[in-house]
Amino acid sequence: AQSVTQLGSHVSVSEGALVLLRCNYSSSVPPYLFWYVQYPNQGLQLLLKYTSAATLVKGINGFEAEFKKSETSFHLTKPSAHMSDAAEYFCAAYTGTASKLTFGTGTRLQVTL
Amino acid sequence: DVKVTQSSRYLVKRTGEKVFLECVQDMDHENMFWYRQDPGLGLRLIYFSYDVKMKEKGDIPEGYSVSREKKERFSLILESASTNQTSMYLCASLFRDNGEAFFGQGTRLTVV
Repeated sequence: AQSVTQLGSHVSVSEGALVLLRCNYSSSVPPYLFWYVQYPNQGLQLLLKYTSAATLVKGINGFEAEFKKSETSFHLTKPSAHMSDAAEYFCAAYTGTASKLTFGTGTRLQVTL
Repeated sequence: DVKVTQSSRYLVKRTGEKVFLECVQDMDHENMFWYRQDPGLGLRLIYFSYDVKMKEKGDIPEGYSVSREKKERFSLILESASTNQTSMYLCASLFRDNGEAFFGQGTRLTVV
């Protein structure tokens, strides 16, 4: 069975500071991994995805994530936070065909002046 | 633009009512999902379907059923609504080749 763990339900950073949101997965087979973002009163939209090509994945809005198999991690980073990055972020895993798309519990990012 | 459309943004229903939540996608995806989202609990999978007429239980199927009679439509049914089913419900369809999912805007259901 696969599972996704996000450490930290709330993260607060200053504008211009580094953003680091943590995600670890467990899966019996190599999964596809995703980060989604949800702005207030909206559905989820895809930030970036790992599908077994390059281990460093670049997404929209300056975000990137690195797949580390040895650590079973897929942490999301952004060098410099912007006020517009305040949202909830979800990490997700999928192992293909008829499998579940499994989400972590989410991390709410707050950006302060 | 790809689209996943949920029939209602907001619903208020009474305890004991039968409730239908509809989801339609226009991307010809085989896989579709229903989640509920609650503060602090993230997205929890209720049911998913990987083909027409096929369904699989997710992590919290109790009190729910689903129907997938056509590829583009996946319906979530609350047989007898209860107050603990008050939640945000999200539908998604997924491109099987790379796992990329597309979400509807969500239905906020309140059961009184």
